[in-house]
Amino acid sequence: DGGITQSPKYLFRKEGQNVTLSCEQNLNHDAMYWYRQDPGQGLRLIYYSQIVNDFQKGDIAEGYSVSREKKESFPLTVTSAQKNPTAFYLCASGMIAGGYNEQFFGPGTRLTVL
Amino acid sequence: KQEVTQIPAALSVPEGENLVLNCSFTDSAIYNLQWFRQDPGKGLTSLLLIQSSQREQTSGRLNASLDKSSGRSTLYIAASQPGDSATYLCAVNGVSTDKLIFGTGTRLQVFP
Repeated sequence: DGGITQSPKYLFRKEGQNVTLSCEQNLNHDAMYWYRQDPGQGLRLIYYSQIVNDFQKGDIAEGYSVSREKKESFPLTVTSAQKNPTAFYLCASGMIAGGYNEQFFGPGTRLTVL
Repeated sequence: KQEVTQIPAALSVPEGENLVLNCSFTDSAIYNLQWFRQDPGKGLTSLLLIQSSQREQTSGRLNASLDKSSGRSTLYIAASQPGDSATYLCAVNGVSTDKLIFGTGTRLQVFP
């Protein structure tokens, strides 16, 4: 059963805590991405990785951290430095070749800060 | 800087209508454009991808066209059904960046 999985589906965090969101894919994609979605706004890119052990900041990386130790996994940590972390987080993976970029998305994690 | 706009932001139509969703982008130097569907509280589902060399792509009742020179793509939905109700997003993969740039979406409601 191929695809992208994210866990947990819902996550509650107290202020000052770090939390880690999981993203796993078995599509053999080289590239993986983390986006944040807020009501009434488009998707905003947090971090992305095109190869294992390498990643780049997106448009809103402050307060977030990632790692890419395995091709299949790209966890996102929301740190206490992120001032407004309540949002819907989407992970994607994709194929990149000669400029071509096609992405597929997981089901998302809704993070709420209490 | 690439900007992607989707108009209208929301659309409500009766079942059975054929409809067109619009996506505009400011920089015509693109590799490909991707259309997605998002149901409330869910992830994005890829519908169609059009490469810059293509004019259109079809999947079932969906047809996406691309006019790169004018910076426009349309998603045509034939014989709409209540199950088509969702938010539709387009995303552009530009030559000058290795990221997808997303529009803010069109929220579609198809009522019986």
